[in-house]
Amino acid sequence: AQKVTQAQTEISVVEKEDVTLDCVYETRDTTYYLFWYKQPPSGELVFLIRRNSFDEQNEISGRYSWNFQKSTSSFNFTITASQVVDSAVYFCALSTGTASKLTFGTGTRLQVTL
Amino acid sequence: GAVVSQHPSWVICKSGTSVKIECRSLDFQATTMFWYRQFPKQSLMLMATSNEGSKATYEQGVEKDKFLINHASLTLSTLTVTSAHPEDSSFYICSASVGLTSRGQYFGPGTRLTVT
Repeated sequence: AQKVTQAQTEISVVEKEDVTLDCVYETRDTTYYLFWYKQPPSGELVFLIRRNSFDEQNEISGRYSWNFQKSTSSFNFTITASQVVDSAVYFCALSTGTASKLTFGTGTRLQVTL
Repeated sequence: GAVVSQHPSWVICKSGTSVKIECRSLDFQATTMFWYRQFPKQSLMLMATSNEGSKATYEQGVEKDKFLINHASLTLSTLTVTSAHPEDSSFYICSASVGLTSRGQYFGPGTRLTVT
């Protein structure tokens, strides 16, 4: 069975601070895919990144960066110099096999204030 | 990029009535569609997986007779909430997949259902 844990329920930061959202996953499959999605107040999920289990390279996209560590089963997400527009709920998700069925974490609500 | 639409975006219905939600893949053919339910401040819970032309596979605890799913074509899946009750009020999100892609699933914008 797959499981995704996002231990941080809510995080509040002041604009321009860096913030890291944690994600820990469990799976017995050797091939799997990890995702991060952003859900703003409008409700529509916004895809941020997909990482497969064979690619442990960290990735940076603008102010966003992801740290994937198989040794600790973690796929953490860092926002550098946070902005008010980053306020949203962020979900980490796991998919195994070719069915692309996603298991979501419980989400982390990020509040960025001025 | 791939676009998934949902209709309606929000609906209010009276208790005991049925409501249908449509999910369409606009510019691609989806071999698989998924339906999720999200209660306020909670995560997305998968309700069912549907493949075109076959019966949907429901997750444990989801009543198949209450949540009817039809996937009649490669671009359309519908979720019908039958005999809706206030506890069915939720945010329903569909997604579409063409198998393994760089983005996994493409999500619709969601439908907010309120049952009075």
